[in-house]
Amino acid sequence: GAVVSQHPSWVICKSGTSVKIECRSLDFQATTMFWYRQFPKQSLMLMATSNEGSKATYEQGVEKDKFLINHASLTLSTLTVTSAHPEDSSFYICSARPLPQALQETQYFGPGTRLLVL
Amino acid sequence: LAKTTQPISMDSYEGQEVNITCSHNNIATNDYITWYQQFPSQGPRFIIQGYKTKVTNEVASLFIPADRKSSTLSLPRVSLSDTAVYYCLVKSRNQGGKLIFGQGTELSVKP
Repeated sequence: GAVVSQHPSWVICKSGTSVKIECRSLDFQATTMFWYRQFPKQSLMLMATSNEGSKATYEQGVEKDKFLINHASLTLSTLTVTSAHPEDSSFYICSARPLPQALQETQYFGPGTRLLVL
Repeated sequence: LAKTTQPISMDSYEGQEVNITCSHNNIATNDYITWYQQFPSQGPRFIIQGYKTKVTNEVASLFIPADRKSSTLSLPRVSLSDTAVYYCLVKSRNQGGKLIFGQGTELSVKP
């Protein structure tokens, strides 16, 4: 149990285009999902907290108009990288926390999406 | 926010026990300590979590002293497939349970 999927697993796009990444909790409900970005040989950097039915909360330094997050249901959150540029090329990872949202609840991570912007 | 500090890298050999210690001096009363494993180009995988004393599961053990200012992840009899980055994190109610990743420990297991 506790599986999180991401789609696509990898994507190549041209500079200036937008890319949408989906994060799904397959066998549990999650009112809260998180989005991370990871550059080569670096740790994961939290970008934003996605809350079902409300606006996402972005970490300091993350442009909310560039990284659009929608959490339309208890099992799906999407991250759209708008007007992508080569510097947005990275590994994007989501995680989800099952209900009930007790602090000790484990967060489960998706397999990640590799984005390459040409 | 409780910052964590752990060794950047560790080397080991197959069959050995590996202990990775993490310090979290500013841990708060209600915070939990959680460890994740990450292989290249994959999402982190949950290993173990604890609040105090000792926790053991089929993969690892977690030792937490009484003052909770540090914790030690113990991997028994490692194999080559345990080569990965291991992250120690503190889950804080003050941070809404967000996981803030530090640099992690890159474990290399050699034959």
